[in-house]
Amino acid sequence: QLQLQQSGPGLVTPSETLPLTCTVPGSSISSDSYYWGWIRQPPGKGLEWIGSIYYSGNAYYNPSLKRRVTVSVDTSKNQLSLTLTSVTSADTAVYFCARGIAAAYYFDSWGQGTQVTVSS
Amino acid sequence: SYELTQPPSVSVSPGQKATITCSGDKLGNKYASWYQQKPGQSPVLVIYKDSQRPSGIPERLSGSNLGNTATLTISGTQAMDEADYYCQAWNNSIVVFGGGTKLAVL
Repeated sequence: QLQLQQSGPGLVTPSETLPLTCTVPGSSISSDSYYWGWIRQPPGKGLEWIGSIYYSGNAYYNPSLKRRVTVSVDTSKNQLSLTLTSVTSADTAVYFCARGIAAAYYFDSWGQGTQVTVSS
Repeated sequence: SYELTQPPSVSVSPGQKATITCSGDKLGNKYASWYQQKPGQSPVLVIYKDSQRPSGIPERLSGSNLGNTATLTISGTQAMDEADYYCQAWNNSIVVFGGGTKLAVL
């Protein structure tokens, strides 16, 4: 398993933008063997996929969040990023980054999770 | 949109077999994965490609996927298996998770 290190604000003001970062050790972020994703979990609820990005740069998003989400990779920093705009209390959740195995459709390594609360 | 349906809860006695199902349209034509999540922790992959176990996952956990249903089976369930379990599949570039099943070992 890979140790993914997440960072970002724990508190975000409604209508503002949530930025989260996930640092990937080594050079696997540049490998075509993997893809990278963000998943969130509202309090007391299940896992919700947010979006994934592939080596090619192609990104795919949950249709329910697509208008507000951007997932990107910075290979120079070995970082995966999530930007979620116009947040509301419904976006309060634990956010996870994860590594996916290309062409096998599962996530084999997860970050430690970041608790994000949307509140004024 | 594609949906995966799991029972909200399953109860099992220690040492018995636990079965958790995950239903979706023609799920057997896709790869199913399973994750275990304990309170306050990140999910852990326990089954991938329907029935494969990552290294370090006990042999008592097994998976199958046929027709519209993927199944996670835990044989000889132990107290440490008490957790939430989520199935996951991939449909047209979209990742889908089931709603999760809370396994209680009573």
